This record gives sequence, C-alpha cells and structure tokens, in this order.
Amino acid sequence: QSALTQPASVSGSPGQSITISCIGTSSDVGGYDYVSWYQHHPGKAPKLMIYEVSNRPSGVSNRFSGSKSGNTASLNISGLQAEDEADYYCSSYTSSSTPFVVFGGGTKLTVL
Amino acid sequence: EVQLVESGGGLVQPGRSLRLSCAASGFTFDDYAMHWVRQAPGKGLEWVSSINYIGGSLGYADSVKGRFTISRDNAKNSLYLQMNSLRPEDTAFYYCAKDRGRAAIVWAFDPWGQGTLVTVSS
Repeated sequence: QSALTQPASVSGSPGQSITISCIGTSSDVGGYDYVSWYQHHPGKAPKLMIYEVSNRPSGVSNRFSGSKSGNTASLNISGLQAEDEADYYCSSYTSSSTPFVVFGGGTKLTVL
Repeated sequence: EVQLVESGGGLVQPGRSLRLSCAASGFTFDDYAMHWVRQAPGKGLEWVSSINYIGGSLGYADSVKGRFTISRDNAKNSLYLQMNSLRPEDTAFYYCAKDRGRAAIVWAFDPWGQGTLVTVSS
C-alpha cells in the first residue's frame, strides 16, 4: 500500500480536461509544499511535470497545472492530447522518520 | 544538456552484492543533492536513498536500510549505490535523479536517468 493515495486510472477524450488526486496526511502533503508530479511513459525515464505543488519546469506545457487543498494535491491536465497517455505519480516530502519522500501508487491516464 | 546515465545493473544471486553508478554531466554536480528511486516490475515508484551535495547521506528507505549505501564522488561527477545482501524483492529498475533545488533540497527529482535493471534471482 502506497503512502499517498491516487486513483488507479482516469480517462478522457482529446481536448477534455482531467484531474488526478493525491491524498496524503498532515505529515506529508498537508504539511509541506514539496509536492511533485511525474509523468512516466513505459520504458522511458520519468519526467518532472510539477514541483512545489504548482510550479512548472521550463519546457512543460502550460496544459499541466498543480494545486493543493489540505491533505489533497491535484494535477490537472487540460486540452488532453494523445501523447499525455502515461502513468502519473505524485510525491511528497514527509516528516515521518523514513522515508523522506513518499510516492502515490500511480494513475494510468488513458486518452480515449 | 543535463544527463544522468546509470550503469552496473544485472543478474545477481540472493545474498550477493552489486554497485550501481550514475554518471552526471551538463550541470555543476557538487551543487545538488542526488537521489536513487526504484521501480519493481509492474509496481510503482519507491524512493530508495538521498545524499546531499557534499556527500552526507540523507537517509534510506526502511526496506534497504543497513544493506544499501549511497555515496558520491564530486571529482568524478558520479553517484553510487552499494547494494549488499540483495533479496529477490530488490529486483527493480533503479533510477538516479538530480534534485531540482540548488540552494536547498526541494525533493523534486529532475531529471532522471534511463535506469538500470537489477534482477535478484538464483
């Protein structure tokens, strides 16, 4: 069981918007702004999409946005494109003794 | 271009050791903390260990504590993971990743290497 809870799968049609949730606790998501989101295409290196809750690295499309409310972080993808189909993972720093970083179980995004 | 290239993976028997390396280029290596993350077949991502910019370990996952050791050689722009007493459940792709923060660790991994596969089996 992962420390952060994500839905196993989400889907949407091209052009639509989807949101992936990431539920933690006050010891991780709710307590710190060190929440990140990663996109992972099988066989490739994971890619950072969002860091510190809502910041986008240069080169990442502005169709990707992040937010947080209480113990729940969210990744929103607007204007879905076929290449967005991938696994998405959230992560957070945690004040638990170890690990220092916890991941969600991952969400498979299917673009219909 | 920032690049991370892992090496050292392979097939190893339970109880044996393996040392992973990660060669870094394209950035000032000794300005950044570095991390190891793994992904077992069909499973999600799992943080393994992190090290600060001067080589102080920041910690280990409970699943590897006492068996794995993280280190770095800033003169060689390289990160290492010494894995001892390997178990079948250590079978995974192992990725090295650079922390995004320069002045302080922000626990965001960017970029990641392509990974190296470690298979622990008799």
